[in-house]
Amino acid sequence: GAVVSQHPSRVICKSGTSVKIECRSLDFQATTMFWYRQFPKKSLMLMATSNEGSKATYEQGVEKDKFLINHASLTLSTLTVTSAHPEDSSFYICSAIAPGGWNQPQHFGDGTRLSIL
Amino acid sequence: QKEVEQNSGPLSVPEGAIASLNCTYSDRVSQSFFWYRQYSGKSPELIMSIYSNGDKEDGRFTAQLNKASQYVSLLIRDSQPSDSATYLCAVNEEYGGSQGNLIFGKGTKLSVKP
Repeated sequence: GAVVSQHPSRVICKSGTSVKIECRSLDFQATTMFWYRQFPKKSLMLMATSNEGSKATYEQGVEKDKFLINHASLTLSTLTVTSAHPEDSSFYICSAIAPGGWNQPQHFGDGTRLSIL
Repeated sequence: QKEVEQNSGPLSVPEGAIASLNCTYSDRVSQSFFWYRQYSGKSPELIMSIYSNGDKEDGRFTAQLNKASQYVSLLIRDSQPSDSATYLCAVNEEYGGSQGNLIFGKGTKLSVKP
């Protein structure tokens, strides 16, 4: 149980393109999902917390107009990287809290490797 | 600033040995603790959750929690080369608007030599 699916797994596109990444909870409802970014050999960095039906909460230093988050249903959150540039190239990972309360573990999707040329 | 500290390693152990991974955390009120395994180029995978003082065993893995010392550890018995990965210690934010957020350590890289 508590399976999180993320799509696509890899994106290569030109600078200036907007890229949408989907995160789905397959077998449970997730009122809260999280978006992380990880650069090579670096730690996971929380970008934002996505709450179903409300605005996302962004971490300090993360541009909300650059990284658009939509959590329109209890099983789907999307992250759109707008007008992506080479410095946005990274590994983006979503997660959702397992059912049972906010103190349950987060389960992660497989991640999306974004490469901007 | 809440912090989770781990030795970055690399920790190298021979196949069949016990690997011991350690973690300390700064927030005394923390109640929920997790160990994740992350293979190179992959996303984190949950290994263990622990909420109470003492030991919790799951197969070859044992998590140990000591809230008084603010210390969490993970033991891997009979280590296998397939256990070679980075192990992330994570602590749950317990209050305020950030409930459910995880504070991650930087991870310990484990290498199991055949």
